[in-house]
Amino acid sequence: AQTVTQSQPEMSVQEAETVTLSCTYDTSENNYYLFWYKQPPSRQMILVIRQEAYKQQNATENRFSVNFQKAAKSFSLKISDSQLGDTAMYFCAFMKYNNNDMRFGAGTRLTVKP
Amino acid sequence: DVKVTQSSRYLVKRTGEKVFLECVQDMDHENMFWYRQDPGLGLRLIYFSYDVKMKEKGDIPEGYSVSREKKERFSLILESASTNQTSMYLCASSSPGGGALDTQYFGPGTRLTVL
Repeated sequence: AQTVTQSQPEMSVQEAETVTLSCTYDTSENNYYLFWYKQPPSRQMILVIRQEAYKQQNATENRFSVNFQKAAKSFSLKISDSQLGDTAMYFCAFMKYNNNDMRFGAGTRLTVKP
Repeated sequence: DVKVTQSSRYLVKRTGEKVFLECVQDMDHENMFWYRQDPGLGLRLIYFSYDVKMKEKGDIPEGYSVSREKKERFSLILESASTNQTSMYLCASSSPGGGALDTQYFGPGTRLTVL
């Protein structure tokens, strides 16, 4: 079974600075997807970024980028120029290719301080 | 935009009551999911459905059942609520086919308290 580990339960960062959230996973699969989801306080969970394992290039979405290290089974999220609206719970998730079973990490609570 | 709605944001029930949580999506997605979210445990899959009247057990199905009579609606049922079912319940939907279609879209969640 796949497991996803987020080793940082809580993190904080000053506004406008950069922060990196860690995620590692365990799988014997070669084809899979990785996701970062954001859950703001009392608001809906939304997708931040996704990565296909067969792609070597790291995914980016505006201020959000990932460092995908397939051999190390590591998938970290970098948030640049942090904004107050980035304060949220962040979940890393893994899904096998052509499979509906998505596995989530325990989450990292990020606080952006003014 | 994909819209996934859940019938209640907050719900308080008594032990032994039958509880219905409803989820509706408006994007014609084939797949629908029910998760529970607990601090320190992330999201755990209770049940999912890949078509009308079809269902599959997830990791923690005990104490729950589901119903999917229409494509857009997926209900989670607690036959006899217990205090250990106090949690946040999240519904999600997605479309099969690979690529961006596999992305799951979430509802706002229902925070259920069982007294």
